[in-house]
Amino acid sequence: GAGVSQSPSNKVTEKGKDVELRCDPISGHTALYWYRQSLGQGLEFLIYFQGNSAPDKSGLPSDRFSAERTGGSVSTLTIQRTQQEDSAVYLCASSSQGAQFNQPQHFGDGTRLSIL
Amino acid sequence: EDKVVQSPLSLVVHEGDTVTLNCSYEVTNFRSLLWYKQEKKAPTFLFMLTSSGIEKKSGRLSSILDKKELFSILNITATQTGDSAVYLCAGYPNTDKLIFGTGTRLQVFP
Repeated sequence: GAGVSQSPSNKVTEKGKDVELRCDPISGHTALYWYRQSLGQGLEFLIYFQGNSAPDKSGLPSDRFSAERTGGSVSTLTIQRTQQEDSAVYLCASSSQGAQFNQPQHFGDGTRLSIL
Repeated sequence: EDKVVQSPLSLVVHEGDTVTLNCSYEVTNFRSLLWYKQEKKAPTFLFMLTSSGIEKKSGRLSSILDKKELFSILNITATQTGDSAVYLCAGYPNTDKLIFGTGTRLQVFP
């Protein structure tokens, strides 16, 4: 597609439920990144994919968070047993080559997650 | 710990004014510095700066990097209401993650 596409754009759920957030990167981009943006905070790195592999998961805040990427394209971020502190905007980005090539990351519109 | 600090936190100007946004960084194994504009949703890529002293320009926006003093500025001349946004600065170390500042909120009034 022309840009990074994320769905849903908004998600409201009850505490304790599981949620899945989807990211479709720019066509042909091999690198994919997830970030989280909380109110008043900068963007916080969560995880990086090169192809289907995740060489850096260091930003995932707890074992309730997981992500996968299939076919070198679409990625899903899953949050299990959601907590109120998980409320944030989850942003996905992609770049044309792996992170070692110093390419700009291009972002999607994000999913605004609200935990009641 | 890597960090990026932006100033001012917010700025209110009138159309036609020129603004300068500041970004200082402490990033291990620094490679480049990026500027993004965030209106309602996606941060939109503006500039990537790798070399010191070389100005990058796009229309009324320009940016420069000083790797000795570890800062960058983003200039916007002849501001318009459409420039109203949060401007994000990010350091890119020799890893995969961008290190973001908290942004400068710019409001341009007619």
